[in-house]
Amino acid sequence: DQQVKQNSPSLSVQEGRISILNCDYTNSMFDYFLWYKKYPAEGPTFLISISSIKDKNEDGRFTVFLNKSAKHLSLHIVPSQPGDSAVYFCAASRLAYTDKLIFGTGTRLQVFP
Amino acid sequence: DADVTQTPRNRITKTGKRIMLECSQTKGHDRMYWYRQDPGLGLQLIYYSFDVKDINKGEISDGYSVSRQAQAKFSLSLESAIPNQTALYFCATSDSSAGLDTQYFGPGTRLTVL
Repeated sequence: DQQVKQNSPSLSVQEGRISILNCDYTNSMFDYFLWYKKYPAEGPTFLISISSIKDKNEDGRFTVFLNKSAKHLSLHIVPSQPGDSAVYFCAASRLAYTDKLIFGTGTRLQVFP
Repeated sequence: DADVTQTPRNRITKTGKRIMLECSQTKGHDRMYWYRQDPGLGLQLIYYSFDVKDINKGEISDGYSVSRQAQAKFSLSLESAIPNQTALYFCATSDSSAGLDTQYFGPGTRLTVL
C-alpha cells in the first residue's frame, strides 16, 4: 500500500511560470514532510520541509503548502527555471521518527524555454 | 570532494554471485541508510544504522545484509544476487543531534543482475 503518492509522473512548464507538484498521503500519523530533488546520475538532495504545525513554508522560489485535512501537500516553484528540471520526490515521516522516511514515486519536472 | 561516496558507481553481475556495495561519508554523521530505487517507484529503505553497534531492518531487507565497519562506513551485501535486485542503490546519512535530521544521499550505484 503506497502511503505517499505522487499521481503525476511528469510535468512540463514554461520558464518563468509557476510549477506545482502535488503529493498525497494516507497515514494520518505523518507530521513531517520533505521534498527532495534529484538530477540524473546524482543522489536526491534535500529541498524544503514542513511540519504539521504549519501550513506553509517558504524558501526563496520554493514554497510548500500543507493541507492536513485533505492529507495533501504541494510544492510551488516560482518562477520556474530550466535548472529546476529534475525529478522531485515527496517524503513523509513522523516527527519522532524523522529517520524513517516514506517516499513517493516522484514527479519529473521539465522546464522549457 | 563529495561528502557521501559510493563504490562502485555501476556494477553488472550474474545471478548467484555475492556482491558488496560500499558507502563512506565525511560528514561525521552517526546515522546511515541504504535505499533502493526501482523504475517508477520511490526509494525504499533496506537497512539503517544509528551507530556502529546498531543495525535495523527496513521495509525490504530480505536478500540483503549490511555491515557498519566504522562510523563513516556502511556496506550493503547481496549474498546471492538475483535479477529482481537490479536497481539503483543509494546510501544516505543523517545527524541525530540536528533535531529534525535531514538525510544526505550519495550519488547512487546502478546494479544490474543478469
